[in-house]
Amino acid sequence: KAGVTQTPRYLIKTRGQQVTLSCSPISGHRSVSWYQQTPGQGLQFLFEYFSETQRNKGNFPGRFSGRQFSNSRSEMNVSTLELGDSALYLCASSLLAGYNEQFFGPGTRLTVL
Amino acid sequence: DAKTTQPNSMESNEEEPVHLPCNHSTISGTDYIHWYRQLPSQGPEYVIHGLTSNVNNRMASLAIAEDRKSSTLILHRATLRDAAVYYCILSTTSGTYKYIFGTGTRLKVLA
Repeated sequence: KAGVTQTPRYLIKTRGQQVTLSCSPISGHRSVSWYQQTPGQGLQFLFEYFSETQRNKGNFPGRFSGRQFSNSRSEMNVSTLELGDSALYLCASSLLAGYNEQFFGPGTRLTVL
Repeated sequence: DAKTTQPNSMESNEEEPVHLPCNHSTISGTDYIHWYRQLPSQGPEYVIHGLTSNVNNRMASLAIAEDRKSSTLILHRATLRDAAVYYCILSTTSGTYKYIFGTGTRLKVLA
């Protein structure tokens, strides 16, 4: 069974631009969560989607948004990029929402110049 | 909001047991305790999770204190491949947070 895939793996943007990251969960998994990882703040929860609905949201500004499609694939968008948005963005999928084992993808490394 | 506290780093000799502690003194009654680990240049990998009782799986054991204010991840025989950052995580439904990651413990395994 294929694991969680994230595209692109690396991305370079400039301040003020917007970016869209994609995540394909493991087949059959209906929950997708997104995390931001930085050296200073560590791993921080962004949001979780289940059956195309956002179930939970972390403490991030409205510039960070996401969505989930009917095939469970998910995208996250960051608008008006800031230098501080440079991070590794990780996607994780699980069978159901809630307290289930999450399977993480390799992440997308975003660099904002 | 409940949070976790872990030592920044620990060392262990290969083939010996490792006890990784985690403090979560503000845990609420419905918060689950999860452990994940992250190897270099990879996404985190699930290790184990529990609510109140001790848990065992093929990778590790999780010992949860009776008052649930702390827990310990036990690797029974550390190998070089176990060198990673280990995160103790609470999954909570309080507030707006879903998963609260600790700072993680970097485990170094000595050959």
